[in-house]
Amino acid sequence: DQQVKQNSPSLSVQEGRISILNCDYTNSMFDYFLWYKKYPAEGPTFLISISSIKDKNEDGRFTVFLNKSAKHLSLHIVPSQPGDSAVYFCAASGGLSGTYKYIFGTGTRLKVLA
Amino acid sequence: DAGVIQSPRHEVTEMGQEVTLRCKPISGHDYLFWYRQTMMRGLELLIYFNNNVPIDDSGMPEDRFSAKMPNASFSTLKIQPSEPRDSAVYFCASRSGLDQETQYFGPGTRLLVL
Repeated sequence: DQQVKQNSPSLSVQEGRISILNCDYTNSMFDYFLWYKKYPAEGPTFLISISSIKDKNEDGRFTVFLNKSAKHLSLHIVPSQPGDSAVYFCAASGGLSGTYKYIFGTGTRLKVLA
Repeated sequence: DAGVIQSPRHEVTEMGQEVTLRCKPISGHDYLFWYRQTMMRGLELLIYFNNNVPIDDSGMPEDRFSAKMPNASFSTLKIQPSEPRDSAVYFCASRSGLDQETQYFGPGTRLLVL
């Protein structure tokens, strides 16, 4: 039973355009959400996070939006660059799982075309 | 700091053999996590420790899997006996218990069981 779902396994975007990666969750008790980025042969690295008390968090080219009523979050990358090509995982924590246990999605492979 | 260190980086073994994966967390981090990444299930949390004590092992798939953390700077994940379906990338991650901290991942061990 996947509590965190990334329904798009892959996404291709032209350099300079916006990339939008989506994530849905089922557990309304989750209160903290994160995005991790993973390059081949490396471990995931933290990208950006958002608490459930906010609906938007921005860090440079990266913005995460949270829609609690829809149990949906998205990551926007503007403008997209070839170096952004990687697998992106969303993760959630909170509720009975606790603060320290992250539940990850299956990932979305982003390819930014030059 | 060198980050989270995992060894070996690659392991090829035959079905039925014992496999031991090793992890050295970032110094000062009191939480350690073991994950498994597969195409179908993404990043799954297997077990995590706090101050060397296992807190949640609900993700450990079977009794063939065991994990230990004998001290703050070392942890092992053992599979005995290994099976082809255990083939995956295994990640170790660590974090401190401070608020707003995130998990830092190692480079992973790619395991292939023939």
